[in-house]
Amino acid sequence: EVQLVESGGGSVQPGGSLRLSCAASGFTLSGHWMHWVRQGPGKGPVWVSRVNKDGSATNYADSVKGRFTISRDNAKNTLYLEMNSLRADDTALYYCVRGLYLEEASTLAFDVWGRGTRVTVSS
Amino acid sequence: QSALTQPRSVSGSPGESVTISCTGTSSDVGPYNFVSWYQQSPGKAPKLIIYDINQRPSEVPDRFSGSKSGNTASLTISDLQTEDEAAYYCCSYAGSAIALFGGGTEVTVL
Repeated sequence: EVQLVESGGGSVQPGGSLRLSCAASGFTLSGHWMHWVRQGPGKGPVWVSRVNKDGSATNYADSVKGRFTISRDNAKNTLYLEMNSLRADDTALYYCVRGLYLEEASTLAFDVWGRGTRVTVSS
Repeated sequence: QSALTQPRSVSGSPGESVTISCTGTSSDVGPYNFVSWYQQSPGKAPKLIIYDINQRPSEVPDRFSGSKSGNTASLTISDLQTEDEAAYYCCSYAGSAIALFGGGTEVTVL
């Protein structure tokens, strides 16, 4: 079964740090771009970051650029998100998401989602 | 990077059709074919139902269809069923390796 399982969320004070992990199973992680998407309470999803198949290229939403770092370890089938200088508006459920792969063309869509790990930033 | 605009809610009776719009700009929805739609039930993760404007994953019923005109994409649910009651989100590539989601639309089956 294709599965993504996030961990590492928790409660932290403003300015603090957290490292999220995402364990992939049932598929070869190295065959997919991977993303982090977050969803605040009662709000829509917001794309946070993505990393290419071998980890050599990363992109970030403006709201997290310079504070968050995405990385991957394909040998361990694991995706990471290092979050520093956390702010109250970073409070959300963070999803690890697999990028859809099409043999015949490039695309941007998200075909496998984890259950999420909750991050709460509050004093 | 503003969120794409969706109506807050739409409703229909079983068997009817409903259409959800997703309005972007000439920097996101307009120039790209990478529009996708997601269904989210309470307490669950979003589920991909449409990608590349109008392509359906194999497990998604053909009652769900997508289209795009200019800066606006649309999702149509035909033959509405009670199990279609959920929140629906659009998403588009916005250039510079950025993805934008819409604010979401609650579908109510009357």
